[in-house]
Amino acid sequence: ETGVTQTPRHLVMGMTNKKSLKCEQHLGHNAMYWYKQSAKKPLELMFVYSLEERVENNSVPSRFSPECPNSSHLFLHLHTLQPEDSALYLCASSQESDMGTSGANVLTFGAGSRLTVL
Amino acid sequence: QKEVEQNSGPLSVPEGAIASLNCTYSDRGSQSFFWYRQYSGKSPELIMFIYSNGDKEDGRFTAQLNKASQYVSLLIRDSQPSDSATYLCAVMTRWGKLQFGAGTQVVVTP
Repeated sequence: ETGVTQTPRHLVMGMTNKKSLKCEQHLGHNAMYWYKQSAKKPLELMFVYSLEERVENNSVPSRFSPECPNSSHLFLHLHTLQPEDSALYLCASSQESDMGTSGANVLTFGAGSRLTVL
Repeated sequence: QKEVEQNSGPLSVPEGAIASLNCTYSDRGSQSFFWYRQYSGKSPELIMFIYSNGDKEDGRFTAQLNKASQYVSLLIRDSQPSDSATYLCAVMTRWGKLQFGAGTQVVVTP
């Protein structure tokens, strides 16, 4: 496996379900991200983990719960979601370094998990 | 004011012509700038990045950066039907946040 892999690719869940999205990166990167992509809207950063420590949480509702057990794996646990949470959830990784270094902050995205909440 | 603005399109471009995409940003202290391409139903993939004022060329793609005017553009020369996609502009702000625009849809017509 190479790059960033996400599972499942598609998920349909009811508002009372509990599910998890999984992301795995095979690039040796030290930072991982969850983004939400809704139609015609900019990518919304949800969470950032750097060296397995959460460094950013952009006021995301508590019904989304991230977990980063190691530098290669990232999860997004979902519970009691709302229909407006239906979107494409993208995982990404990068190799963080000092600002100005060529290639810094270049994100490699996974294929995404298309979530539909009924 | 949106932090990163792009025309949503669609931008219709005849095959073989030049596609010109523009992006403006609000944080004057932004450090680095990225263009991603996203095919329908696929994830974004990096086309190129630029840090310094001026032009940067990579194959058929040229990124242009003007920090004084706070805009970055992407030119696609000799446009091909395979270039039909949504192009996302991303800006790294001075606070280390990567902000994305909503994207410009490009349609290359044979």
